[in-house]
Amino acid sequence: QQPVQSPQAVILREGEDAVINCSSSKALYSVHWYRQKHGEAPVFLMILLKGGEQKGHDKISASFNEKKQQSSLYLTASQLSYSGTYFCGTDPSGSARQLTFGSGTQLTVLP
Amino acid sequence: DVKVTQSSRYLVKRTGEKVFLECVQDMDHENMFWYRQDPGLGLRLIYFSYDVKMKEKGDIPEGYSVSREKKERFSLILESASTNQTSMYLCASRLDINQPQHFGDGTRLSIL
Repeated sequence: QQPVQSPQAVILREGEDAVINCSSSKALYSVHWYRQKHGEAPVFLMILLKGGEQKGHDKISASFNEKKQQSSLYLTASQLSYSGTYFCGTDPSGSARQLTFGSGTQLTVLP
Repeated sequence: DVKVTQSSRYLVKRTGEKVFLECVQDMDHENMFWYRQDPGLGLRLIYFSYDVKMKEKGDIPEGYSVSREKKERFSLILESASTNQTSMYLCASRLDINQPQHFGDGTRLSIL
């Protein structure tokens, strides 16, 4: 079953913060985050594994709450280059051969 | 850097034609995937393969088949193309479940 991402779209100004959520009706083993810019391939951002860890690089970080079956992606002090569609992909067991992706969140950063 | 190459960026075919989409990866990955991307629906898995000659159906396999004769190459076949198969098709490869998935640039397929 496809994870639910919210919001579907968000518009913000450079320097503002944003949070994108990914919720699953199933227990989660891992959550993967990708960003796709218009006309380009999705690019890997990070993987979070069961254990409630938080990860980040630069000003993009993410948390994983396995009890809530949810992951959140945090973008702080947004830059124009952050614009794109963000996808989460979930693995319920750790042994699934494939990820199930959400429908995406379109993020637009304006100058 | 991992490179996943899809044979065409744009393709136009006619209803009823047999269509081949090719994907090649250069990192010796066991796992390869074909997705379809439509507005508002995200990435939907059509088929995937975890080894040569091995394949499994994804969420939307109807009307498609795949072939993996060599580890580096994974082909998606539309046996008899229909207009509702007009879409963006993305290929990806991955070493294992806890590793990043690497995507190709996509093939925008139009069926007339």
